[in-house]
Amino acid sequence: RKEVEQDPGPFNVPEGATVAFNCTYSNSASQSFFWYRQDCRKEPKLLMSVYSSGNEDGRFTAQLNRASQYISLLIRDSKLSDSATYLCVVNRYYQLIWGAGTKLIIKP
Amino acid sequence: EAGVAQSPRYKIIEKRQSVAFWCNPISGHATLYWYQQILGQGPKLLIQFQNNGVVDDSQLPKDRFSAERLKGVDSTLKIQPAKLEDSAVYLCASSSLGADNTGELFFGEGSRLTVL
Repeated sequence: RKEVEQDPGPFNVPEGATVAFNCTYSNSASQSFFWYRQDCRKEPKLLMSVYSSGNEDGRFTAQLNRASQYISLLIRDSKLSDSATYLCVVNRYYQLIWGAGTKLIIKP
Repeated sequence: EAGVAQSPRYKIIEKRQSVAFWCNPISGHATLYWYQQILGQGPKLLIQFQNNGVVDDSQLPKDRFSAERLKGVDSTLKIQPAKLEDSAVYLCASSSLGADNTGELFFGEGSRLTVL
């Protein structure tokens, strides 16, 4: 079992819809969490950090559930430009562990 | 502010040949990472430097891969001899925070290696 797991997708979602995906982690000692976005054939870029109390940045909401060991990303009112792969990153003992990513395709 | 620079962007070699990639991080960033990303997978850490010291190279295949950051600024990653399974994008990233407090990583555009 991988330490950080994501549903690879692809998630095919119509423009304007709400989409959510989860990332599970196996090591309870994990300390901090991040979502990165990677466009096709581009480098990853930080989308948002995930805080214990949950946090929101515009149409994006990130949640952390330590009891069940997962983080989630919710995208509201999805745009065509949201099409990308979303990578979950977990900081465990000061090492960054990367998920394989969830591919999101927004359709007009 | 200039971003992370990498070269070459693309490289095609035959197996058993050697290749070197270069990275210049964002000015002032102490931490530098080399990642390997195979198509359809997340980035896999090869080596992490804090200034010119190695913090983590546990996943670096040391029989064929080597990396250095001699002056604590730019870095090179070398593969010798290359294997077919080394075909991947090699991403360099830098961070302003120390190795024990990961913050945002800034990535270069990557070096795409094809081994024939």
